[in-house]
Amino acid sequence: KQEVTQIPAALSVPEGENLVLNCSFTDSAIYNLQWFRQDPGKGLTSLLLIQSSQREQTSGRLNASLDKSSGRSTLYIAASQPGDSATYLCAVFMDSNYQLIWGAGTKLIIKP
Amino acid sequence: GAGVSQSPRYKVAKRGQDVALRCDPISGHVSLFWYQQALGQGPEFLTYFQNEAQLDKSGLPSDRFFAERPEGSVSTLKIQRTQQEDSAVYLCASSLPFHNEQFFGPGTRLTVL
Repeated sequence: KQEVTQIPAALSVPEGENLVLNCSFTDSAIYNLQWFRQDPGKGLTSLLLIQSSQREQTSGRLNASLDKSSGRSTLYIAASQPGDSATYLCAVFMDSNYQLIWGAGTKLIIKP
Repeated sequence: GAGVSQSPRYKVAKRGQDVALRCDPISGHVSLFWYQQALGQGPEFLTYFQNEAQLDKSGLPSDRFFAERPEGSVSTLKIQRTQQEDSAVYLCASSLPFHNEQFFGPGTRLTVL
């Protein structure tokens, strides 16, 4: 059974720092991996989607990498801003079905 | 609207009541998903539709949970005889077919007293 783990569960850093969020998964038979952002009281916003054949994806200050064989993905946020404060979740789409399997998220606080 | 909408946004039910949660997907999205998110946790898959066909309902926690999408557009998640452990945020997402990017609604927060 696929398990997705995110470390750390919470992170607080000063504004302007670069930071890395980690996601690991136990079953490498994935179709793709997505990173989402969740703001309190709001739905989930997709940030980046990496296909299983890709190594990384970039959008603005965000860069996500995927090492499928080792079951790891990282989300790199450059020059963090207070507006980046949110919970970040990773989710994997399995090859064998259409279920997204989620991590519990990393709660990120960027201090002004 | 351009996005996924859900109603109601908040629902308080007494234990034992039946509730119905609605999801309006993005027009043209054939795939529709329901998830349950407990406080402080990631979402858990409940069920998946492709058009009107429910292709996977393996995540529904009990036979009190029922979902339908009769015309391949709007979907309703029904919970019968609600229990306190059903309290959670219920999220709906839609996408183009198969393993495409999912777009989420704001969720319905259900509180069972």
